Amino acid sequence: AQSVTQLDSQVPVFEEAPVELRCNYSSSVSVYLFWYVQYPNQGLQLLLKYLSGSTLVESINGFEAEFNKSQTSFHLRKPSVHISDTAEYFCAVIYTGGGNKLTFGTGTQLKVEL
Amino acid sequence: DAGVTQSPTHLIKTRGQQVTLRCSPKSGHDTVSWYQQALGQGPQFIFQYYEEEERQRGNFPDRFSGHQFPNYSSELNVNALLLGDSALYLCASGAGVTEAFFGQGTRLTVV
Repeated sequence: AQSVTQLDSQVPVFEEAPVELRCNYSSSVSVYLFWYVQYPNQGLQLLLKYLSGSTLVESINGFEAEFNKSQTSFHLRKPSVHISDTAEYFCAVIYTGGGNKLTFGTGTQLKVEL
Repeated sequence: DAGVTQSPTHLIKTRGQQVTLRCSPKSGHDTVSWYQQALGQGPQFIFQYYEEEERQRGNFPDRFSGHQFPNYSSELNVNALLLGDSALYLCASGAGVTEAFFGQGTRLTVV
């Protein structure tokens, strides 16, 4: 079955420290990969996506993620977090050939503390 | 551009009742997908509509049905509500395989 695993349900981190949120997906021939962010009582906002080409993708607010095909991973990183980064982060996958539905992980709550 | 809009934002229903949720896609988008997000969980795909037809469906019972109108807006209907149907229902629109812009969601509480 196609699945996405986010091993860490919560990640506490101090402001200005680096952070990595982990995401693994079940193996498939071809995938599109996404990270979404959800603030309290809001919908999902696209943070970044990998479709093809360079395996390292970046967002406008300093996050980056690297597609690793051999490890079927798409971990999200930020070198220095800010209080405003506190939110729920969801990794999602589109398995090509299976339509374009998003399969989501269970989410990681990032809590940035002073 | 108003983005994806959903209505209502919140509602409370009683077990056994029926509910209709509405979604207006982002301008220029012709595909609408619906997701259910239970508390503390990731969104789960319900179904997708394109050209007024259900194109793909997730593992949800027939109590969940939908419709897409000629202007691409969409409705999600849930019959015979159960307590377990309480969730945030998210609508996403797109114009291609890799596009998905989400609305703010409708919080459904079944009592």
